Amino acid sequence: GAVVSQHPSWVICKSGTSVKIECRSLDFQATTMFWYRQFPKQSLMLMATSNEGSKATYEQGVEKDKFLINHASLTLSTLTVTSAHPEDSSFYICSARGWGQGADTQYFGPGTRLTVL
Amino acid sequence: GESVGLHLPTLSVQEGDNSIINCAYSNSASDYFIWYKQESGKGPQFIIDIRSNMDKRQGQRVTVLLNKTVKHLSLQIAATQPGDSAVYFCAVGAGGYNKLIFGAGTRLAVHP
Repeated sequence: GAVVSQHPSWVICKSGTSVKIECRSLDFQATTMFWYRQFPKQSLMLMATSNEGSKATYEQGVEKDKFLINHASLTLSTLTVTSAHPEDSSFYICSARGWGQGADTQYFGPGTRLTVL
Repeated sequence: GESVGLHLPTLSVQEGDNSIINCAYSNSASDYFIWYKQESGKGPQFIIDIRSNMDKRQGQRVTVLLNKTVKHLSLQIAATQPGDSAVYFCAVGAGGYNKLIFGAGTRLAVHP
């Protein structure tokens, strides 16, 4: 239980374009989803908390106009990186809060590797 | 603010031995603690969690110990297997399951 998927698993785009990443909870409903980014050999950094039907809460230093988050349903949240630049290249991981594996906690998707040329 | 760190960045063990991965946290208000396992190129996988009203919790081949006095938790893996090779992160929350702060991670390398 508590399976989270992400699409795409990897994407390469040109500088200045926008990229949308989808995060889905497959077997549970998630009122709260989270978006993290992870640079190579580093830990996960929380970017924003996404609540279904309301605006996302962004962490300090994360530009909300650059990283657009939409949580339109209880099973889907999207992250759009607008006007992407090479410094936005990273591993983006979402998580969803739900019950599974005997715990009410955050379960993570497989991640999306973004490379901006 | 919260900071979470790990004592050992890399841990090498022999297959079959027990592994202990440590984590320190700074916020005494932290009340929820989780261990995740992350394999290369994948998202973190939930291993085990513990709340601040407990000091020990056991799962399948894993045990988490929490020492609130010194703000330290550990993950013990019994009979370590090659499939346990990964990076292990502790994550700490205050006030529940939201806003987790992740530690730097420890790489566990299991040798045959």
